[in-house]
Amino acid sequence: EVQLVESGGGSVQSGGSRRLSCAASGFTVNSNYMSWVRQAPGTGLEWVSIIYSGGSTYYAPSVKGRFTISRDNSKNTLSLQMDSLRGEDTAVYYCARGRTSGYFRTEFESWGQGTLVTVSS
Amino acid sequence: QSVLTQPPSVSAAPGQKVTISCSGGSANIGNNYVSWYQQLPGTAPKLLIFEDNKRPSGIPDRFSGSKSGTSATLGITGLQTGDEADYYCASWENSLGAGVFGTGTKVSVL
Repeated sequence: EVQLVESGGGSVQSGGSRRLSCAASGFTVNSNYMSWVRQAPGTGLEWVSIIYSGGSTYYAPSVKGRFTISRDNSKNTLSLQMDSLRGEDTAVYYCARGRTSGYFRTEFESWGQGTLVTVSS
Repeated sequence: QSVLTQPPSVSAAPGQKVTISCSGGSANIGNNYVSWYQQLPGTAPKLLIFEDNKRPSGIPDRFSGSKSGTSATLGITGLQTGDEADYYCASWENSLGAGVFGTGTKVSVL
């Protein structure tokens, strides 16, 4: 059974850093593309970042240069390093597994339960 | 501000049909696949449609997807109270080199 479990959420001050992790089971994180998607309180979904099976990464303009997506194949985990955090980064962060290994897709067939990051001033 | 525009809300009586539009452009829907998600209150999103009109296993055929040019549509027939949720379209945005979600549509069953 495919399972994704996020961790690392919590409160952080504006300008600070936080690292999120997503433990995967039932598949290997380098088999399909993996993404982070976030949802600010009471708002819609926002795509954050993606890492492809080949290692290529892409970011939303709102986080580019501040966030870094990575994976550890030996631990079968996905990570999101978030630096220079701002109030507008406050959100529930979901990790999601892509349906295929194809590029430029937004088809996420499995999702974690999400982890809340709160950025305060 | 998302580049994919959806109506804020749609509603219909049980058993009826609703359609949700997702309007984009040539840099996203016009040249990339569209997917659709259902998000029930307090839960993670669930994939309903991929590659414009395909359903993952386990998704009932009451849910359908279509695309024409730079717009996509999600249809839900035989509306049930359990379908009350937020629905989002998604696609890749070539000009940004990033994925994008639609603005979201709340479906209410009257």
